[in-house]
Amino acid sequence: DAKTTQPPSMDCAEGRAANLPCNHSTISGNEYVYWYRQIHSQGPQYIIHGLKNNETNEMASLIITEDRKSSTLILPHATLRDTAVYYCIVRRDGGSQGNLIFGKGTKLSVKP
Amino acid sequence: KAGVTQTPRYLIKTRGQQVTLSCSPISGHRSVSWYQQTPGQGLQFLFEYFSETQRNKGNFPGRFSGRQFSNSRSEMNVSTLELGDSALYLCASSLGFLAGTDTQYFGPGTRLTVL
Repeated sequence: DAKTTQPPSMDCAEGRAANLPCNHSTISGNEYVYWYRQIHSQGPQYIIHGLKNNETNEMASLIITEDRKSSTLILPHATLRDTAVYYCIVRRDGGSQGNLIFGKGTKLSVKP
Repeated sequence: KAGVTQTPRYLIKTRGQQVTLSCSPISGHRSVSWYQQTPGQGLQFLFEYFSETQRNKGNFPGRFSGRQFSNSRSEMNVSTLELGDSALYLCASSLGFLAGTDTQYFGPGTRLTVL
């Protein structure tokens, strides 16, 4: 089972920031938080990941609370192309842990 | 750098047949993982290959198998197809590190329809 809890859906106005929350209250010290998104019927796209510090890249920012029990993915200026299902995944480090466990994710709808 | 490629993109088979799907990882990536996505079960892990060896396996019947070649390309095979095998099959590649982070990058998927 997925170790994360996300709201099933969210709306965001185009041009505004989209803030997608994720709860992972049972996260362990060696587990990372990964975010992927999937646009309808395409392969999931990697967005960002982090351990305990906030992270930023060209796509998004990841804010992880100090106790690491929750995080927020921020898309600073959402566009219509950001409409997708967003998955928050907790994963142990190390390649041999292999698989990503996907939950149901959050369906983000960006509206004009 | 080219991304993960999967062939074919679409496939239609009938029950009882078998099918082989192919995945070419990102250059330099040695780990290939396969996932199945259905509306009912969501995205589920099938197996992972690293250096031609299966390193991790999900909870799927033995009809689902895979292999990896020396150039890291991978194939998965499904024998005796059932209607429930209709799904989007996704391949993901990564460097395969055993420590630290090892980000997986997904291909576009192969849409399999079983009639």
